[in-house]
Amino acid sequence: QVQLVQSGAEVRKPGASVKVSCKASGYTFRDFGISWVRQAPGQGLEWMGWISAYNGHTNYAQTLQDRVTLTTDTSTSTAYMELRSLRSDDTAFYYCARDRMTVLVGSHFDYWGQGTLITVSS
Amino acid sequence: DVVMTQSPLSLPVTLGQPASISCRSSQGLIYIDGNTYLIWFQQRPGQSPRRLFYKVSNRDSGVPDRFSAYGSGSDFTLKISRVEAEDVGVYYCMQGTHWPPTFGQGTRLEIK
Repeated sequence: QVQLVQSGAEVRKPGASVKVSCKASGYTFRDFGISWVRQAPGQGLEWMGWISAYNGHTNYAQTLQDRVTLTTDTSTSTAYMELRSLRSDDTAFYYCARDRMTVLVGSHFDYWGQGTLITVSS
Repeated sequence: DVVMTQSPLSLPVTLGQPASISCRSSQGLIYIDGNTYLIWFQQRPGQSPRRLFYKVSNRDSGVPDRFSAYGSGSDFTLKISRVEAEDVGVYYCMQGTHWPPTFGQGTRLEIK
């Protein structure tokens, strides 16, 4: 069965960076992409960016594109999200979700990771 | 960006009664491939979002048939025919047609 398993909770100070992993299993990793979505405590869902596991193409939310980098390691079927220059309002649950392979089709978001809580506090 | 507007934002429902959530998009959602990438999610307390429907009305595996979804153009609806206790949570619509993908604000369903 399809599973996305994310790395554990992290605490960072303002200005630091964090890298979250999302290990996929149960499907051919390169046949899909991964989107990252975050959710601040008690708030709604915010799309952060997408990466194709097929060709590495990316697309980022305009509000985050200067601070976020998405990568994949096809040898381990793992996607990564790095967020830099952390601020207190980056405190949120971060989710990976299986998504489209290319921009030629629409979004899937059919399977989600369990979420990773990132806390930014001095 | 395409704005997704849900209503109501809070939905108190008596067990066994129906419930309906509206989702409107600021632009039409038909993609170049002819599909409409409108997705509904359920997020139970303390859990990750779970996809319920994709491409407007296609029910995901394991979703009870008391849930239904329909719509076209820029007007979409999620219906629950008889609410059960396990339906408590927040429901989101999302468009995956235009970049960037955007979510509605969420509708919180609670038992009255």
